[in-house]
Amino acid sequence: GQQLNQSPQSMFIQEGEDVSMNCTSSSIFNTWLWYKQDPGEGPVLLIALYKAGELTSNGRLTAQFGITRKDSFLNISASIPSDVGIYFCAGQLGSSNTGKLIFGQGTTLQVKP
Amino acid sequence: NAGVTQTPKFRILKIGQSMTLQCAQDMNHNYMYWYRQDPGMGLKLIYYSVGAGITDKGEVPNGYNVSRSTTEDFPLRLELAAPSQTSVYFCASSYGQINEKLFFGSGTQLSVL
Repeated sequence: GQQLNQSPQSMFIQEGEDVSMNCTSSSIFNTWLWYKQDPGEGPVLLIALYKAGELTSNGRLTAQFGITRKDSFLNISASIPSDVGIYFCAGQLGSSNTGKLIFGQGTTLQVKP
Repeated sequence: NAGVTQTPKFRILKIGQSMTLQCAQDMNHNYMYWYRQDPGMGLKLIYYSVGAGITDKGEVPNGYNVSRSTTEDFPLRLELAAPSQTSVYFCASSYGQINEKLFFGSGTQLSVL
């Protein structure tokens, strides 16, 4: 099946640092989404991207839909302890008419105060 | 609104036992989904439903069954539990076909020993 490669797998950073993570695929996607999962909870949508080249911000978070439609990145600026969690990218295939999402493996973020 | 409610939160099963994971949503969403989350593997779609009385297989349906008798409820059934089904299960729902606005439940952690 289709694969999304998300990197890095994990990050351990100091509070105040900026963070960058990305997802790549050999397939073309119609939509890119970024979710955050807090410990013991379900994922929550952070940012949705719908057009190639689109750059969208949500507070300290910025995400971009790659020009080739095969990749996306998420940046977090000035990290704080509550940014801890697992971040997932998810893509909706361009040829799919059922809207099913494919999820990346996740990036586990730990922030040291 | 409660959103998406999953029960139980935790469960331990013996090999060969059966159980039903419950999922209910009160947002009048047409689409409902069951995912499993394994460490380092992201979320894999088990089954989904586009409306009451309609279900379809996802990426990893083997060993599971679902039903959708009402808009609100989408239970997941394990008939003969196997250790490979040890995982965290998430139910999700969305209003329309473009499922980027997925609302997730808080998950069921299942161990099969």
